This record gives sequence, C-alpha cells and structure tokens, in this order.
Amino acid sequence: EPEVTQTPSHQVTQMGQEVILRCVPISNHLYFYWYRQILGQKVEFLVSFYNNEISEKSEIFDDQFSVERPDGSNFTLKIRSTKLEDSAMYFCASRRGTGMSLDYGYTFGSGTRLTVV
Amino acid sequence: EDKVVQSPLSLVVHEGDTVTLNCSYEVTNFRSLLWYKQEKKAPTFLFMLTSSGIEKKSGRLSSILDKKELFSILNITATQTGDSAVYLCAVGDYFSGNTGKLIFGQGTTLQVKP
Repeated sequence: EPEVTQTPSHQVTQMGQEVILRCVPISNHLYFYWYRQILGQKVEFLVSFYNNEISEKSEIFDDQFSVERPDGSNFTLKIRSTKLEDSAMYFCASRRGTGMSLDYGYTFGSGTRLTVV
Repeated sequence: EDKVVQSPLSLVVHEGDTVTLNCSYEVTNFRSLLWYKQEKKAPTFLFMLTSSGIEKKSGRLSSILDKKELFSILNITATQTGDSAVYLCAVGDYFSGNTGKLIFGQGTTLQVKP
C-alpha cells in the first residue's frame, strides 16, 4: 500500500537553529499538508499546498515557516529559527482528491518528532 | 470559530465490551467527517462520512453521521486489546480554494483491558 514517508523520525535541535523536515508524498497525490501535534494536544493544521503554491495556512504558520516542493517528489517544511514551543510531532499528509472531493486518499506519514532544546 | 469536540476524553473497558465514541462539530463549511485511529504515530484512516443516516461499517467498527444535530458516533463491538488507541475525529472544511484541511478533535483514548 502506498505510503507517505517522513524523515527524520526524530530530530533534536538547539533553539534558534533552522530545521528542515522532509516528506515524500504518495506519487499520484495532488494536495499536500503539514500538521503538528504538541504532546497531549490536538492535531493542528499548519499549511496546505497545491499546484506548487500554498493554498491555505493557519495562524501558526508565520514567517518562520516555509514549505517547498523542490523536485516534484519531496515536500519540505522549514522552520527558520526554532523556538522551544515548536517542539511537537509534525505530520505530513497528502491526498489525491480532485475538485472538491475529500476522499479517503488523505494519508498521513509517520511523523517527525522535533525537540527544541 | 470552527471546533470539533470529542467525548469521552478517555475510556477504559474490558475485552468483549462495546464502546461508543462521540464527536460533535461546529464547522462553517462542513464537507465531511473522518475518523482515524492513532496508535503510536500516524493517524490511520477508518471512515469518511458525508451523508446523514448512512452507516459505514468495517468489521467490528461502524460509524454514522447526523448532519442535523452535528455529531457522529463511532461504535466498536466486541473490543479487543488491539483496539487500544487514540481515536480522532476530524472535519473536512471546504474552502473556496479546495484546500481540504482537516479540523481535529482532541481525541478519545481507549484502553481495552484483557
């Protein structure tokens, strides 16, 4: 069964450092997402990406965050200057959906646990 | 503000019991409601519901949506220890840009004891 692959599974970084979280979505999927889950809290939407541009972003996704799809297969989330409160599990997701359909092709990766110290 | 609320937040049952998990929502542009099971890391898909009153079933799990009362339930019959997980409810928000973002509830932690 096709999977969304995320690397690394765990990353520890010092406050103020830049981190890049990587994702390989399912190959025929068109929509890409980043979500995060702070320990003990809800899964929260960060950003959606379609047709090589951001289609929606949440209030959390400020200027410190950026996303890219540099080569047609990888989808990355960059945090420029990490803060302690960025510590969370970051999930990448993708879906094939066409038009307004929101079908079960919405697939999540296993996540990257980011720890900022 | 859009919100999704799940209840109970946690539940402990014994193998063989039947459980009902609840999800209520207030979302301006409702498109669909999804249930996920989260064991250690990635949420894994269980059901997607878009129409009221139509039960979706998969083995011992079933779910139904009530769009008038704005809630859904997830039933698990004859629970097994392998059902122990966090169950997440999420609502798909149709936005003019077709973003398809999901708005999650806080989850119900189910523990099934042998």
